[in-house]
Amino acid sequence: DTGVSQDPRHKITKRGQNVTFRCDPISEHNRLYWYRQTLGQGPEFLTYFQNEAQLEKSRLLSDRFSAERPKGSFSTLEIQRTEQGDSAMYLCASTEDRATGNTIYFGEGSWLTVV
Amino acid sequence: LAKTTQPISMDSYEGQEVNITCSHNNIATNDYITWYQQFPSQGPRFIIQGYKTKVTNEVASLFIPADRKSSTLSLPRVSLSDTAVYYCLVGESNFGNEKLTFGTGTRLTIIP
Repeated sequence: DTGVSQDPRHKITKRGQNVTFRCDPISEHNRLYWYRQTLGQGPEFLTYFQNEAQLEKSRLLSDRFSAERPKGSFSTLEIQRTEQGDSAMYLCASTEDRATGNTIYFGEGSWLTVV
Repeated sequence: LAKTTQPISMDSYEGQEVNITCSHNNIATNDYITWYQQFPSQGPRFIIQGYKTKVTNEVASLFIPADRKSSTLSLPRVSLSDTAVYYCLVGESNFGNEKLTFGTGTRLTIIP
């Protein structure tokens, strides 16, 4: 168990550019989540996958945001035409699909700074 | 999802026992109570989860009264490394289509 891995850990981009973050969940975890966290706030839910199916998207996920999990393993989160308000830490998490006592494991996050 | 309320911040001295209480008056029958710890620039880390009474693991204890409308995270003999933000979450154990909803958490500062 190597934990949830996110890449890159830090990204600085100019406003208007596109960025993509990658998440590798814990192996055999079929659920994968993306969250966003700004300074002083708790993580906010963005979207969730069950295997390759994207089952829920938050209203926070504007049309500039897209997430994929093509083979039910790793996932990518792309932000198009970045804005300064997109600056945040983007967290990926995964969990097993068990009936009780699920624990969601988070990665270390990917910091985005839009200048 | 049941809403949770917890203190914004707490201070404690090293070596003390710290108790952080979370209020969740609208907790549902199927809801579990889960606590996460987050250090700056890191993702949240699972600490403990419980449904009722008391749960203990190697890092913390979780006390849940019979009415389950509140819970208390207990950290024994804290050290400086326990300085972090602690989040209380309530939701079904089978997260299914349900996402975790974080509040602003409790910022715990340990004083030498």
